[in-house]
Amino acid sequence: EAEVAQSPRYKITEKSQAVAFWCDPISGHATLYWYRQILGQGPELLVQFQDESVVDDSQLPKDRFSAERLKGVDSTLKIQPAELGDSAMYLCASSHEVEGQFFGPGTRLTVL
Amino acid sequence: RKEVEQDPGPFNVPEGATVAFNCTYSNSASQSFFWYRQDCRKEPKLLMSVYSSGNEDGRFTAQLNRASQYISLLIRDSKLSDSATYLCVVNMGSGYSTLTFGKGTMLLVSP
Repeated sequence: EAEVAQSPRYKITEKSQAVAFWCDPISGHATLYWYRQILGQGPELLVQFQDESVVDDSQLPKDRFSAERLKGVDSTLKIQPAELGDSAMYLCASSHEVEGQFFGPGTRLTVL
Repeated sequence: RKEVEQDPGPFNVPEGATVAFNCTYSNSASQSFFWYRQDCRKEPKLLMSVYSSGNEDGRFTAQLNRASQYISLLIRDSKLSDSATYLCVVNMGSGYSTLTFGKGTMLLVSP
C-alpha cells in the first residue's frame, strides 16, 4: 500500500537553530499539506501545495517558516530560527483531488 | 464559534458497549466530511468518509445532518482496540481539498 514518507521521525534541536523536514507524498497525489499538531489539539494547516504552487500559506509564520515543493513531488519544510514554542508534531499529508488526505508518520520536533 | 467542535471526552466505555460522538461545524457551505482515527503519538488515519445518505462500515456508522450542521460517529460492540482519539474533519473549501480538523474526542474502552 502506498504511503506518505517523512524524515526524520524525531528531531531535537536547540532554540535559534535551523531545522528541516522532508516529505515524499503518495505517487500521483498533486496536493501536499504540512500540518502542525500540538499535544491535545487537532492538526493545524501550515501550508498547502497544488503541484509546485502554494495554494494556502495563510497560517504559516513566514518570518521563520518556509516550505517548498520545487518539482511538484517531494517537499521540505524549514524553520529558522527554531523557538521553544515550535515543539510539536509536524505532519505531511497528500491527497488526490477531493478525497480524504493520507498522512505520513510525522516528525516529532523538540526544541530545547 | 470554532469551525469544527467536538467534545474532547474522554469517553470511558466497557467492551461491547455502543458509543456515539457528535461534531458540529460552522460553515454551512462545507462540502465533504470525514472521521479520522489517531492513536497516541501516531499520525491520523482515515476511518471513513461521511455521506449525505449516511454510511456504515462494519461496526462503524457515520451520519450527516446538514440542516443542523453536525455529523456523528456510532461505534457498536466496542473493542479494546477502538481506544483512540477520533477526529472530526470538514472540507470547508471549494476546489482543492482544504480540511479543518476538530480537536478530537478520546475514547477509552476498558475490559
